[in-house]
Amino acid sequence: DIQMTQSPASLSASLGETVTIQCQASEDIYSGLAWYQQKPGKSPQLLIYGASSLQDGVPSRFSGSGSGTQYSLKISSMQTEDEGVYFCQQGLKYPLTFGSGTKLEIK
Amino acid sequence: EVQLVESGGGLVQPGSSLKLSCVASGFTFSNYGMNWIRQAPKKGLEWIALIYYDSSNKYYADSVKGRFTISRDNSKNTLYLEMNSLRSEDTAMYYCAKGYYSSYIYFDYWGQGVMVTVSS
Repeated sequence: DIQMTQSPASLSASLGETVTIQCQASEDIYSGLAWYQQKPGKSPQLLIYGASSLQDGVPSRFSGSGSGTQYSLKISSMQTEDEGVYFCQQGLKYPLTFGSGTKLEIK
Repeated sequence: EVQLVESGGGLVQPGSSLKLSCVASGFTFSNYGMNWIRQAPKKGLEWIALIYYDSSNKYYADSVKGRFTISRDNSKNTLYLEMNSLRSEDTAMYYCAKGYYSSYIYFDYWGQGVMVTVSS
């Protein structure tokens, strides 16, 4: 199975701050990576797919990058509504696997 | 608007069975693969099953293989998950999710989830 390792497990950021979350795959996933945001009590929402493609309706302050085994999600200017848990997911091989999540809070 | 509405969850005893349903609307259900994904309380996400648009292929996580069965009825726009031999570790929120396919598999719409609790 492809293991997805996310870091950090949690972080707090001030309004307007730039935030970066990392995700490492245990093998090359050829940019087959997605990012999801989950707010408390809600289901996850797709933010980024294909490592860097923005899902329709997602604010442009979210961006994704990376290749091979290393990927990152950047929020260019933290907003209050960005609080939540962020998960990465590899879509290359079965079983489809997720990272353990990064909890993002406002400082 | 895409909507996925799960039902069928509840409190069951270990070893028992349960069948979840997910009714889809707002898209052509018969054109898309569908998935079940679960989340144990305060835990991360675990993909557990996928079914092709035409039911020709099904894939499962090892944790549920042989106990859970994914199926669909395209005439009813409904996805199912039949769960047998339930264990305490199956306690989770279960989400159905529409598949988004490029060369890879992602999940572009999720239901609100249905809770399954396995406890004596």
